[in-house]
Amino acid sequence: GQNIDQPTEMTATEGAIVQINCTYQTSGFNGLFWYQQHAGEAPTFLSYNVLDGLEEKGRFSSFLSRSKGYSYLLLKELQMKDSASYLCAVMDSNYQLIWGAGTKLIIKP
Amino acid sequence: GAVVSQHPSWVICKSGTSVKIECRSLDFQATTMFWYRQFPKQSLMLMATSNEGSKATYEQGVEKDKFLINHASLTLSTLTVTSAHPEDSSFYICSARALSMGLPEQFFGPGTRLTVL
Repeated sequence: GQNIDQPTEMTATEGAIVQINCTYQTSGFNGLFWYQQHAGEAPTFLSYNVLDGLEEKGRFSSFLSRSKGYSYLLLKELQMKDSASYLCAVMDSNYQLIWGAGTKLIIKP
Repeated sequence: GAVVSQHPSWVICKSGTSVKIECRSLDFQATTMFWYRQFPKQSLMLMATSNEGSKATYEQGVEKDKFLINHASLTLSTLTVTSAHPEDSSFYICSARALSMGLPEQFFGPGTRLTVL
């Protein structure tokens, strides 16, 4: 079966760095997405990785290793507004998105 | 670019009534739109994939006669919850792929919060 695993909840301190991991097993691979979702709102797109390596976009970076079925989202200089759920999703061979359950990130002052 | 709107943002209705939710791609054509449901503190659940001009593909466990999906044009898909009951109360979110713009990601509408009394 298809499976996406990510931690349920993480806590970090304002100004610090946090890494949210995601491992996956899917039928085919056409890219991995990270989305941010604040409570009561729809998800917003953060990043897309289809090749191995690190993609940096401001305070957020996303890494992919296809051979290991592994990705992480790195958030630097954490701000209180970064408190949200972070969703990992993989596009399978049918171009369907397989969603992880999300990681709730709690930022403390 | 790649903006998706959803209407209404929230709706409260009586049990047994039907509710229609619209999803529009404002600045691109979306051959495929997706409908999700999300219960509190849970992840997104894909309900169905909507293809323009053809019948929607429903996920296992989703009743096609209860959740009617119409994708009549390249910019509009509708979800109608028929004979709504309190257990249908949820956050309904649509998304669209903008492959015509060379973008692989799905763009989400703002969601519709449905409360059935």
